Amino acid sequence: GDSVTQMEGPVTLSEEAFLTINCTYTATGYPSLFWYVQYPGEGLQLLLKATKADDKGSNKGFEATYRKETTSFHLEKGSVQVSDSAVYFCALSPDRTGNQFYFGTGTSLTVIP
Amino acid sequence: KAGVTQTPRYLIKTRGQQVTLSCSPISGHRSVSWYQQTPGQGLQFLFEYFSETQRNKGNFPGRFSGRQFSNSRSEMNVSTLELGDSALYLCASSRTGTGDGYTFGSGTRLTVV
Repeated sequence: GDSVTQMEGPVTLSEEAFLTINCTYTATGYPSLFWYVQYPGEGLQLLLKATKADDKGSNKGFEATYRKETTSFHLEKGSVQVSDSAVYFCALSPDRTGNQFYFGTGTSLTVIP
Repeated sequence: KAGVTQTPRYLIKTRGQQVTLSCSPISGHRSVSWYQQTPGQGLQFLFEYFSETQRNKGNFPGRFSGRQFSNSRSEMNVSTLELGDSALYLCASSRTGTGDGYTFGSGTRLTVV
């Protein structure tokens, strides 16, 4: 079945370091891919998305490229800030309707000054 | 504009009782999804409603049910509560559920004792 495998955490980085959080997926059709972020005590917020192969989603300095050949959607940011400390979830929607998501287990990121 | 509102924020119930959680989506959003979030299982899809019809259902027992009203507000009900039902229950809404991503509420933290 459809699933998402996400890099285990927690991840601790110094401010201005480069961030990569790995995400790979398994899907039978043509899924849409998402990254969500959850700050402490809050719900999930959509960070970025890509709906077809080779699409690049970007927001707030974060980027992820939909790679069909490697079934990956890795999240990257060139220079993290303390305010980026949160839990990051990779998610897959099995088809273009997007009404059901499969989530990864989440990766906790802590950025220290 | 107002976000997705979930009530109550916190709830403590006794094993065997039943509980009803409420979700008010963003104005104009007709698709509402529910997720259960636990440390062990992560985020798991419960069900999705669109225009008062359940379009999709996750792999949960029949004790978990939901409904959507004509104003798109949604409720989920859990009967005969078990200790393992303790979790953060997240509601998410989308205009049509067509891959534009969902906006999540802050969740209802249910503790079963």
